[in-house]
Amino acid sequence: DAKTTQPNSMESNEEEPVHLPCNHSTISGTDYIHWYRQLPSQGPEYVIHGLTSNVNNRMASLAIAEDRKSSTLILHRATLRDAAVYYCILRYRGGSNYKLTFGKGTLLTVNP
Amino acid sequence: SAVISQKPSRDICQRGTSLTIQCQVDSQVTMMFWYRQQPGQSLTLIATANQGSEATYESGFVIDKFPISRPNLTFSTLTVSNMSPEDSSIYLCSVEQKETQYFGPGTRLLVL
Repeated sequence: DAKTTQPNSMESNEEEPVHLPCNHSTISGTDYIHWYRQLPSQGPEYVIHGLTSNVNNRMASLAIAEDRKSSTLILHRATLRDAAVYYCILRYRGGSNYKLTFGKGTLLTVNP
Repeated sequence: SAVISQKPSRDICQRGTSLTIQCQVDSQVTMMFWYRQQPGQSLTLIATANQGSEATYESGFVIDKFPISRPNLTFSTLTVSNMSPEDSSIYLCSVEQKETQYFGPGTRLLVL
């Protein structure tokens, strides 16, 4: 299984940027890097994904290292609503389907 | 993005009984997934259910314990059979669209 390593927890202040790191040293050339977040008592929510280039969307930015062995999810201005568990996941080919393997994620606390 | 609903949202069951969880999607999808999230833990993939074929189970999960139906492209069921307290978890279904998985809100199951 494709594996990622994230800090167990991080803390931020409201309206400040947040950089959530992820290491994936065993990534293969066809694995996509996905980020999901899970708010309390909800199912995971897609945030962003990328393969090699940096990506931006309305929720966040994803910075991918040149060797693809690490990436960083960037929340430009954290809000209280961004408090969640953030999962960095490699989408890999497992058998005939693509799969996601969830790690433990990073619990982000946002202080008012 | 796909909108997914699950029924029931929660249930309390007696050991030895079975519970069938329903997952409904608002659009036709080929691949559906069932996950389990034990208390305080991350998500674990139970099986992948493609319409028109048998579900594919991950290591540690068997069809007799978690039978899955996939009668059409918008619906699936997961049955948790002969339940024990160790089956107390959140069960989530998800679908894949354009390289992204979208998750339902989950079914919270407590087995006494």
